[in-house]
Amino acid sequence: KNEVEQSPQNLTAQEGEFITINCSYSVGISALHWLQQHPGGGIVSLFMLSSGKKKHGRLIATINIQEKHSSLHITASHPRDSAVYICAVRGGNEKLTFGTGTRLTIIP
Amino acid sequence: GAGVSQSPSNKVTEKGKDVELRCDPISGHTALYWYRQRLGQGLEFLIYFQGNSAPDKSGLPSDRFSAERTGESVSTLTIQRTQQEDSAVYLCASSSGTTFYEQYFGPGTRLTVT
Repeated sequence: KNEVEQSPQNLTAQEGEFITINCSYSVGISALHWLQQHPGGGIVSLFMLSSGKKKHGRLIATINIQEKHSSLHITASHPRDSAVYICAVRGGNEKLTFGTGTRLTIIP
Repeated sequence: GAGVSQSPSNKVTEKGKDVELRCDPISGHTALYWYRQRLGQGLEFLIYFQGNSAPDKSGLPSDRFSAERTGESVSTLTIQRTQQEDSAVYLCASSSGTTFYEQYFGPGTRLTVT
């Protein structure tokens, strides 16, 4: 079993829909990252959080430390949101362990 | 300001040859990370540098892989006697600290071993 599990693996939705991507982890962590990887391969850090909730524009990330679970939400989704979203957790030794990613496709 | 840069952007090499990949972190960032992403797979941690501390090499897959960093500047990842399974995108990231600092990723170097 992977230390970081994401669901779903693939998600296709219509423009405007509310999107939720889930991440569960099995180890103790100091921080959790959400990353976005564009079709060209570039990676952008979206959020880093260790508790509670963060919001940036149409993106919202939440984490429940007790349940070892995080969610990434996208409101009013747009085709430009199409990308692979990656959850990564940081343990005590600064090493990031990555989930396998969720491929999101937003159809106009 | 300038982000993380990597060179070359693409590298094709023959099996058995050595390759060097370069990463220029954001100026002032004390932490630098190397990751690998094989085709269709997730990211894997390779090595981490923080300031003048000994690097965390726990992710290096074999002794053919090594990395150096001069102070808080450029880093070089070297792969000796390349194998076909080394084909991947090698990504570098830097951050201004540890644990609670975001990482900024470079564009990656796509390595193809023929």
